[in-house]
This record gives sequence, structure tokens and C-alpha cells, in this order.
Amino acid sequence: LAKTTQPISMDSYEGQEVNITCSHNNIATNDYITWYQQFPSQGPRFIIQGYKTKVTNEVASLFIPADRKSSTLSLPRVSLSDTAVYYCLVGWGSTLGRLYFGRGTQLTVWP
Amino acid sequence: ETGVTQSPTHLIKTRGQQVTLRCSSQSGHNTVSWYQQALGQGPQFIFQYYREEENGRGNFPPRFSGLQFPNYSSELNVNALELDDSALYLCASSTANRLELRLDTQYFGPGTRLTVL
Repeated sequence: LAKTTQPISMDSYEGQEVNITCSHNNIATNDYITWYQQFPSQGPRFIIQGYKTKVTNEVASLFIPADRKSSTLSLPRVSLSDTAVYYCLVGWGSTLGRLYFGRGTQLTVWP
Repeated sequence: ETGVTQSPTHLIKTRGQQVTLRCSSQSGHNTVSWYQQALGQGPQFIFQYYREEENGRGNFPPRFSGLQFPNYSSELNVNALELDDSALYLCASSTANRLELRLDTQYFGPGTRLTVL
């Protein structure tokens, strides 16, 4: 499984756009890129998943360059409730749920 | 809410004791995975059950064992508890399809906070 590298922490203010970048230089051809969000004392929650180019859903966008060696999670107009740890994972279906989490990025949103 | 429930919410045990944690997966999901999350760390994969059979194991000793029942609920058992077993234990369910290339989305429960004294 490809190793991922993310910033340990980020700060932002309410209403701003936040971009969290993840490096995965050894990503394999079949790997998908997935982001999870975790609040204190809760289980992680799936945010978004993509393979290439751009994916957008109701909460976030995921930008993946052509070489796929990195990806950027974009959170538009963050609020205080977006304060959480964000994890970037790579893998594909054959791992059948063996998700490997790093330490994630602690995002703190200030008023 | 993910539809995944875990019990108990909190648990305090002493070193050497045994513990059983329970998980009810989301309706229709055939796969359950267990994770251990120490304070300040990301979740670490313990093992996974697919249709009642263990389908992979992380770097955890044999005193960590599990079961999956016909209704796809699951148990995690830990024998001979050690102080380092203190952590949040997370259960996640999904509908794994061995032919599916996309990494399956896992739905996590709220976790069981285990404290070993």
C-alpha cells in the first residue's frame, strides 16, 4: 500500500477555503484516493474518493493531478464544525477494507 | 449516523483480564473491520471478517481475536489485557465486493473506549 504524507496541522478562519495536500509518490495504477474526517471520540467518516482529475460532492472537492503522486482535498467556506482530523488514504478494492491511516491533518477553524 | 453501533461505550478493565467488544454492522453490509486507535494516532487495522471468515489481519498478537455472526454482527475479544491496550476500538462495516476495484467505503461506529489499569 502506498504511503501517504500530510501536514500534521493546519489553521483557518471561518468562511475561508481550506486545501489539504497529501503526497503519495508510490501510488499504484489501481489505487484510489480516499479522504476521511474524524471528530474527537468518534469514528472516521468518509468524505470523498477519486481516481484522477477532479471529484466534487456536497461537502468537498478532490483534485488529483495527472501523475497522481499527490492529491488536494478542498473544503469550501469552512465553519467551526469542520475542526477535525482529516486522513488521506490510498488503496484499491482488493484490500477489502484494510484501510491504513497515517496520523492525519488536524484542521482547526477559528472564529 | 452510519447505522453501525458498538457496545459498550466505555469500559475499564485491569491488566490480565479479558474483554469482549461488540459491533452491529449497517444493514446489508457483509464485511466488518476492527481498528485500534491510540490517543493522538490514526486508527490501526486489527483484522477484518468477510462473510464470517477472517479475511486479513494487521500486526496484532493472537490474543486479539474475533468473530462474525450470520447476521454480520461481530465481536472483538482481547485476552490478557496489557496497559498498552488502552485505546478507542472502532468497528467499520462495508459491502465488500471482491470484483470491485474501488476501495470500499467503510462506515465506522462511534467506538468503545477501553481503559486498562
